[in-house]
Amino acid sequence: ETGVTQTPRHLVMGMTNKKSLKCEQHLGHNAMYWYKQSAKKPLELMFVYNFKEQTENNSVPSRFSPECPNSSHLFLHLHTLQPEDSALYLCASSHLLGTARNEQFFGPGTRLTVL
Amino acid sequence: AQTVTQSQPEMSVQEAETVTLSCTYDTSESDYYLFWYKQPPSRQMILVIRQEAYKQQNATENRFSVNFQKAAKSFSLKISDSQLGDAAMYFCALRTGTASKLTFGTGTRLQVTL
Repeated sequence: ETGVTQTPRHLVMGMTNKKSLKCEQHLGHNAMYWYKQSAKKPLELMFVYNFKEQTENNSVPSRFSPECPNSSHLFLHLHTLQPEDSALYLCASSHLLGTARNEQFFGPGTRLTVL
Repeated sequence: AQTVTQSQPEMSVQEAETVTLSCTYDTSESDYYLFWYKQPPSRQMILVIRQEAYKQQNATENRFSVNFQKAAKSFSLKISDSQLGDAAMYFCALRTGTASKLTFGTGTRLQVTL
């Protein structure tokens, strides 16, 4: 596997379910990100992790719970979601934050549908 | 706060022709970077081209080039000799200095016709 991978690629869940999205990067990066992509809206940054430490949380509801056990893996735990949470969730990674050219590399995304 | 605006929701170009996608931005920072990302129907977002604000020379990557007008805060993408594989959503994005956050526009869907 190369680059940034995400599983599952598609997920359908009910509002009372608990599920997790997984992201793995094979690029030796130190920073990882979760984005939400909804139709006709700009990508929204949700969380940023740098060396496993959360550095940004952009007012994301607590029903989304991120976890970063190491620099290569990032999870997004989901519980009691709402239909408006249906979207494409993208993971990205980059080199060390605080450097000028920390280009972000994206995964293919998980298409989430909340019924 | 910074904003990125893409005023063209959809564009169409014939194969082998040239197309220009528009992007304007706003930031109060002097140190920033601009990007064009491509998201094909398979959804993997990939970086097309990058421009450092301190560089006056427009960035070029093969058939892709930008027209960076700093005073006007404009950053358009020109695709020359368009190919069917260029069909995708194109997102303009801005990052200031060493910040982690990328601010994206709403995207332009590019269709390439025969």
